[in-house]
Amino acid sequence: QKEVEQNSGPLSVPEGAIASLNCTYSDRGSQSFFWYRQYSGKSPELIMFIYSNGDKEDGRFTAQLNKASQYVSLLIRDSQPSDSATYLCAVNMGGGYSTLTFGKGTMLLVSP
Amino acid sequence: GAVVSQHPSWVICKSGTSVKIECRSLDFQATTMFWYRQFPKQSLMLMATSNEGSKATYEQGVEKDKFLINHASLTLSTLTVTSAHPEDSSFYICSPSGGADTQYFGPGTRLTVL
Repeated sequence: QKEVEQNSGPLSVPEGAIASLNCTYSDRGSQSFFWYRQYSGKSPELIMFIYSNGDKEDGRFTAQLNKASQYVSLLIRDSQPSDSATYLCAVNMGGGYSTLTFGKGTMLLVSP
Repeated sequence: GAVVSQHPSWVICKSGTSVKIECRSLDFQATTMFWYRQFPKQSLMLMATSNEGSKATYEQGVEKDKFLINHASLTLSTLTVTSAHPEDSSFYICSPSGGADTQYFGPGTRLTVL
């Protein structure tokens, strides 16, 4: 069974710190990886995606992918209270219209 | 990102009634539509996948006769929860896809069945 695993948290960090969110996946053939942010009562919004091994930076966010270890992470620099949300890792285990498999999400709490 | 609307945003209904949820992709053509639901403190669970003009493909454990999906056009898909019961209370989210790898989500519909 294809799985995406995340620590449910909550992960608590002080304002201004770096938050590190981790995700592992079971299907070695997975091709693309996504991070979504979901505020309570709202639907997920895409933060960023990554396809290739290594780092991808977008503003305060950096996604890191290690396909050999089947591991993807999201770093949030200079964390803000407004970053407090649940972060969902999603993995596309095929191309084109293949569906995403979601982790259960990690709750992040950024304290002022 | 893509602009997706869902209507209604929330609905409360009595047990046994049917509820229709509309999902519209406003700035692109959705050849594929994914419907998810999310129970409290749980992750998104895919219910079904539909391609425009075709019958939907349902995930294991999702009753196709209870959750009717219509994807008649490239900009509109509907999910009808028939004879809703309290256990169907959930957050329903559509995700239209225009063929690109990235999925965007509608704002969701919170259904409460009394």
